[in-house]
Amino acid sequence: KQEVTQIPAALSVPEGENLVLNCSFTDSAIYNLQWFRQDPGKGLTSLLLIQSSQREQTSGRLNASLDKSSGRSTLYIAASQPGDSATYLCAVSVSGGGADGLTFGKGTHLIIQP
Amino acid sequence: DTGVSQDPRHKITKRGQNVTFRCDPISEHNRLYWYRQTLGQGPEFLTYFQNEAQLEKSRLLSDRFSAERPKGSFSTLEIQRTEQGDSAMYLCASSTTPAMTGYTFGSGTRLTVV
Repeated sequence: KQEVTQIPAALSVPEGENLVLNCSFTDSAIYNLQWFRQDPGKGLTSLLLIQSSQREQTSGRLNASLDKSSGRSTLYIAASQPGDSATYLCAVSVSGGGADGLTFGKGTHLIIQP
Repeated sequence: DTGVSQDPRHKITKRGQNVTFRCDPISEHNRLYWYRQTLGQGPEFLTYFQNEAQLEKSRLLSDRFSAERPKGSFSTLEIQRTEQGDSAMYLCASSTTPAMTGYTFGSGTRLTVV
């Protein structure tokens, strides 16, 4: 059974710092990996999707990398801003859909101090 | 397309009452998923549909839960005889088959059972 772990569970940094969120998964036979953002009491917003054949994806100040062989992904946030404060969730898809669907980590709760 | 829509956003109900939630997926997506998320946890898979067929149900989905997707469009999730342990965020997501463009989530329905 796929298990996803996110480290750290919580992180608080001053505005302007670059930071890295970590995600590890136990089954390397993934279809794709998706990073989401969740604001308190809200749904999930997709940030980046990395296909199993890709090594990284970038969107603005966000960069996500994928190392399937080691079962790891990182989300890099450059020049953090208070508006980046949220919970960041990593999710892997094993079969591309279906019952396996997405397996989520518990998330990293990020606070950016003004 | 306005994305995945969920209704209502919030629901407070007394223990023992029945509740029904609705999800409208992205029209081009043939798969629809229901997830449940409790505080401090990642979303957990409940069930999914491919078109109108319900293909898989998690063991988390007790007999008090039922989901439908008539005509392969919107879906409803009903909880009968609600219990306090049902209090959670119920998230709906949709995708293509396979999920090449990832999963798109709605804003969720927050259920509070008092």
